[in-house]
Amino acid sequence: DQQVKQNSPSLSVQEGRISILNCDYTNSMFDYFLWYKKYPAEGPTFLISISSIKDKNEDGRFTVFLNKSAKHLSLHIVPSQPGDSAVYFCAAALGAQKLVFGQGTRLTINP
Amino acid sequence: DGGITQSPKYLFRKEGQNVTLSCEQNLNHDAMYWYRQDPGQGLRLIYYSQIVNDFQKGDIAEGYSVSREKKESFPLTVTSAQKNPTAFYLCASSIPGRKGYTFGSGTRLTVV
Repeated sequence: DQQVKQNSPSLSVQEGRISILNCDYTNSMFDYFLWYKKYPAEGPTFLISISSIKDKNEDGRFTVFLNKSAKHLSLHIVPSQPGDSAVYFCAAALGAQKLVFGQGTRLTINP
Repeated sequence: DGGITQSPKYLFRKEGQNVTLSCEQNLNHDAMYWYRQDPGQGLRLIYYSQIVNDFQKGDIAEGYSVSREKKESFPLTVTSAQKNPTAFYLCASSIPGRKGYTFGSGTRLTVV
Protein backbone atom coordinates (compact mmCIF):
# COMPACT_ATOMS: atom_id res chain seq x y z
CA ASP A 1 0.00 0.00 0.00
CA GLN A 2 1.72 3.14 -1.25
CA GLN A 3 0.85 5.87 1.25
CA VAL A 4 2.79 8.57 -0.59
CA LYS A 5 2.57 8.71 -4.36
CA GLN A 6 4.32 10.74 -7.01
CA ASN A 7 2.38 9.85 -10.12
CA SER A 8 4.67 11.56 -12.61
CA PRO A 9 7.91 9.61 -13.08
CA SER A 10 9.39 12.44 -15.10
CA LEU A 11 8.90 16.10 -15.94
CA SER A 12 10.62 18.28 -18.52
CA VAL A 13 10.61 22.09 -18.18
CA GLN A 14 12.26 24.89 -20.07
CA GLU A 15 14.88 26.92 -18.26
CA GLY A 16 13.38 30.02 -16.65
CA ARG A 17 9.87 28.60 -16.48
CA ILE A 18 8.05 27.21 -13.46
CA SER A 19 8.48 23.56 -12.45
CA ILE A 20 5.61 22.00 -10.50
CA LEU A 21 6.12 18.62 -8.88
CA ASN A 22 3.15 16.86 -7.31
CA CYS A 23 2.68 14.40 -4.50
CA ASP A 24 -0.44 12.72 -3.10
CA TYR A 25 -0.85 10.93 0.19
CA THR A 26 -3.50 8.72 1.69
CA ASN A 27 -2.96 8.98 5.45
CA SER A 28 -4.67 12.10 6.81
CA MET A 29 -2.72 11.72 10.06
CA PHE A 30 0.60 12.73 8.44
CA ASP A 31 1.68 15.94 10.16
CA TYR A 32 4.86 16.92 8.37
CA PHE A 33 6.00 16.82 4.77
CA LEU A 34 9.41 17.17 3.17
CA TRP A 35 10.98 17.39 -0.26
CA TYR A 36 14.39 15.92 -1.04
CA LYS A 37 16.52 16.42 -4.12
CA LYS A 38 18.80 13.69 -5.43
CA TYR A 39 21.52 13.72 -8.04
CA PRO A 40 22.71 10.44 -9.63
CA ALA A 41 25.04 8.36 -7.46
CA GLU A 42 24.55 10.71 -4.50
CA GLY A 43 22.38 10.67 -1.40
CA PRO A 44 19.22 12.80 -1.22
CA THR A 45 19.56 16.25 0.28
CA PHE A 46 16.85 18.09 2.16
CA LEU A 47 15.19 20.85 0.18
CA ILE A 48 12.15 22.23 1.96
CA SER A 49 9.47 21.11 4.41
CA ILE A 50 6.03 22.07 5.65
CA SER A 51 4.03 21.35 8.76
CA SER A 52 0.41 20.27 8.44
CA ILE A 53 -0.69 23.41 10.28
CA LYS A 54 0.47 25.51 7.32
CA ASP A 55 -0.58 25.57 3.70
CA LYS A 56 2.50 27.23 2.22
CA ASN A 57 6.20 27.49 2.90
CA GLU A 58 8.65 29.47 0.79
CA ASP A 59 12.44 29.39 0.58
CA GLY A 60 13.96 31.38 -2.23
CA ARG A 61 12.99 29.84 -5.56
CA PHE A 62 11.24 26.93 -3.85
CA THR A 63 7.70 26.96 -2.51
CA VAL A 64 5.78 24.01 -1.10
CA PHE A 65 1.99 24.05 -1.03
CA LEU A 66 -0.13 21.75 1.09
CA ASN A 67 -3.82 21.05 0.42
CA LYS A 68 -4.95 18.91 3.34
CA SER A 69 -8.50 18.42 2.12
CA ALA A 70 -7.18 16.99 -1.15
CA LYS A 71 -4.25 15.24 0.55
CA HIS A 72 -2.01 16.85 -2.01
CA LEU A 73 1.42 18.42 -1.83
CA SER A 74 3.24 20.34 -4.53
CA LEU A 75 6.69 21.85 -4.99
CA HIS A 76 7.08 24.92 -7.18
CA ILE A 77 10.47 25.98 -8.51
CA VAL A 78 10.61 29.45 -10.05
CA PRO A 79 12.57 30.17 -12.14
CA SER A 80 13.85 26.73 -13.07
CA GLN A 81 17.60 26.43 -13.60
CA PRO A 82 19.73 23.70 -15.22
CA GLY A 83 21.12 22.74 -11.80
CA ASP A 84 17.61 21.85 -10.70
CA SER A 85 17.72 18.77 -12.94
CA ALA A 86 17.53 15.90 -10.45
CA VAL A 87 15.15 13.38 -8.94
CA TYR A 88 12.80 14.87 -6.36
CA PHE A 89 11.27 12.80 -3.57
CA CYS A 90 8.41 13.87 -1.37
CA ALA A 91 8.18 12.34 2.08
CA ALA A 92 5.63 12.35 4.88
CA ALA A 93 5.98 11.90 8.63
CA LEU A 94 3.55 10.88 11.33
CA GLY A 95 4.74 12.12 14.68
CA ALA A 96 8.12 10.62 15.50
CA GLN A 97 7.68 7.69 13.17
CA LYS A 98 9.92 7.00 10.20
CA LEU A 99 9.46 8.91 6.96
CA VAL A 100 7.43 7.47 4.10
CA PHE A 101 8.82 8.36 0.68
CA GLY A 102 7.21 8.68 -2.71
CA GLN A 103 8.64 7.02 -5.81
CA GLY A 104 10.36 10.17 -7.02
CA THR A 105 10.00 12.43 -10.09
CA ARG A 106 12.89 13.03 -12.44
CA LEU A 107 12.99 16.73 -13.37
CA THR A 108 14.88 17.79 -16.48
CA ILE A 109 15.45 21.47 -17.17
CA ASN A 110 16.05 22.18 -20.83
CA PRO A 111 18.12 25.18 -21.96
CA ASP B 1 32.20 18.58 9.63
CA GLY B 2 29.49 16.20 10.79
CA GLY B 3 27.97 13.78 8.36
CA ILE B 4 27.35 10.22 7.28
CA THR B 5 30.01 8.19 5.54
CA GLN B 6 29.16 5.20 3.42
CA SER B 7 31.90 3.01 2.09
CA PRO B 8 32.81 1.88 -0.42
CA LYS B 9 31.19 3.98 -3.15
CA TYR B 10 31.15 1.01 -5.56
CA LEU B 11 31.19 -2.65 -4.63
CA PHE B 12 31.30 -5.75 -6.79
CA ARG B 13 30.60 -9.25 -5.52
CA LYS B 14 30.08 -12.66 -6.95
CA GLU B 15 26.66 -14.24 -6.67
CA GLY B 16 26.31 -16.33 -3.52
CA GLN B 17 28.69 -14.25 -1.42
CA ASN B 18 27.64 -12.17 1.56
CA VAL B 19 28.76 -8.56 1.55
CA THR B 20 28.71 -5.88 4.25
CA LEU B 21 28.10 -2.21 3.54
CA SER B 22 29.49 0.30 6.00
CA CYS B 23 27.64 3.32 7.41
CA GLU B 24 29.22 5.62 9.98
CA GLN B 25 27.85 8.92 11.34
CA ASN B 26 29.32 11.55 13.63
CA LEU B 27 26.14 13.59 14.01
CA ASN B 28 25.26 12.03 17.37
CA HIS B 29 21.97 10.89 15.89
CA ASP B 30 20.15 8.09 17.68
CA ALA B 31 18.20 6.75 14.71
CA MET B 32 19.71 5.19 11.60
CA TYR B 33 18.14 3.72 8.47
CA TRP B 34 18.99 1.67 5.40
CA TYR B 35 17.20 2.24 2.11
CA ARG B 36 17.48 0.67 -1.27
CA GLN B 37 16.87 2.57 -4.50
CA ASP B 38 15.93 0.84 -7.73
CA PRO B 39 14.96 2.64 -10.95
CA GLY B 40 11.33 3.75 -10.82
CA GLN B 41 10.76 2.40 -7.32
CA GLY B 42 11.90 5.23 -5.12
CA LEU B 43 13.37 4.61 -1.69
CA ARG B 44 12.41 1.39 0.04
CA LEU B 45 13.18 0.88 3.72
CA ILE B 46 15.25 -2.21 4.56
CA TYR B 47 16.00 -1.84 8.28
CA TYR B 48 16.04 0.90 10.85
CA SER B 49 17.34 1.38 14.35
CA GLN B 50 16.18 3.99 16.84
CA ILE B 51 18.64 3.12 19.57
CA VAL B 52 21.81 1.13 20.11
CA ASN B 53 21.32 -2.65 20.29
CA ASP B 54 17.85 -2.44 18.82
CA PHE B 55 16.61 -2.50 15.23
CA GLN B 56 13.44 -3.26 13.29
CA LYS B 57 12.65 -4.65 9.88
CA GLY B 58 11.49 -2.29 7.20
CA ASP B 59 9.41 -3.09 4.15
CA ILE B 60 11.97 -5.25 2.33
CA ALA B 61 14.15 -6.86 5.04
CA GLU B 62 14.31 -10.36 3.54
CA GLY B 63 17.86 -11.31 2.60
CA TYR B 64 19.43 -8.54 4.68
CA SER B 65 20.79 -8.30 8.22
CA VAL B 66 22.04 -5.43 10.38
CA SER B 67 23.68 -4.75 13.70
CA ARG B 68 23.78 -1.67 15.92
CA GLU B 69 26.51 -2.20 18.49
CA LYS B 70 27.60 1.43 18.49
CA LYS B 71 25.63 4.64 18.11
CA GLU B 72 27.86 5.75 15.25
CA SER B 73 27.71 2.60 13.15
CA PHE B 74 24.93 0.67 11.38
CA PRO B 75 26.41 -1.88 8.95
CA LEU B 76 24.18 -3.70 6.49
CA THR B 77 24.93 -7.24 5.33
CA VAL B 78 23.49 -8.36 2.02
CA THR B 79 23.27 -12.12 2.25
CA SER B 80 23.15 -14.74 -0.48
CA ALA B 81 19.43 -15.10 0.29
CA GLN B 82 18.70 -11.69 -1.25
CA LYS B 83 17.39 -12.52 -4.73
CA ASN B 84 18.13 -9.21 -6.45
CA PRO B 85 20.96 -7.55 -4.54
CA THR B 86 22.21 -5.28 -7.30
CA ALA B 87 21.02 -1.78 -6.32
CA PHE B 88 22.00 1.59 -4.89
CA TYR B 89 22.01 1.49 -1.08
CA LEU B 90 21.50 4.58 1.06
CA CYS B 91 22.09 5.02 4.77
CA ALA B 92 20.44 7.83 6.73
CA SER B 93 20.26 9.10 10.28
CA SER B 94 18.00 11.33 12.32
CA ILE B 95 17.20 12.55 15.79
CA PRO B 96 14.06 10.77 17.01
CA GLY B 97 11.19 13.19 17.28
CA ARG B 98 12.72 15.58 14.79
CA LYS B 99 11.69 15.52 11.19
CA GLY B 100 14.05 14.95 8.35
CA TYR B 101 16.92 12.62 7.66
CA THR B 102 20.54 13.18 6.74
CA PHE B 103 21.65 10.80 4.03
CA GLY B 104 25.01 9.35 3.13
CA SER B 105 26.28 9.41 -0.45
CA GLY B 106 25.32 5.81 -1.09
CA THR B 107 26.96 2.53 -2.16
CA ARG B 108 26.28 0.97 -5.53
CA LEU B 109 26.41 -2.80 -5.18
CA THR B 110 26.73 -4.94 -8.27
CA VAL B 111 26.48 -8.69 -7.97
CA VAL B 112 27.80 -10.65 -10.93
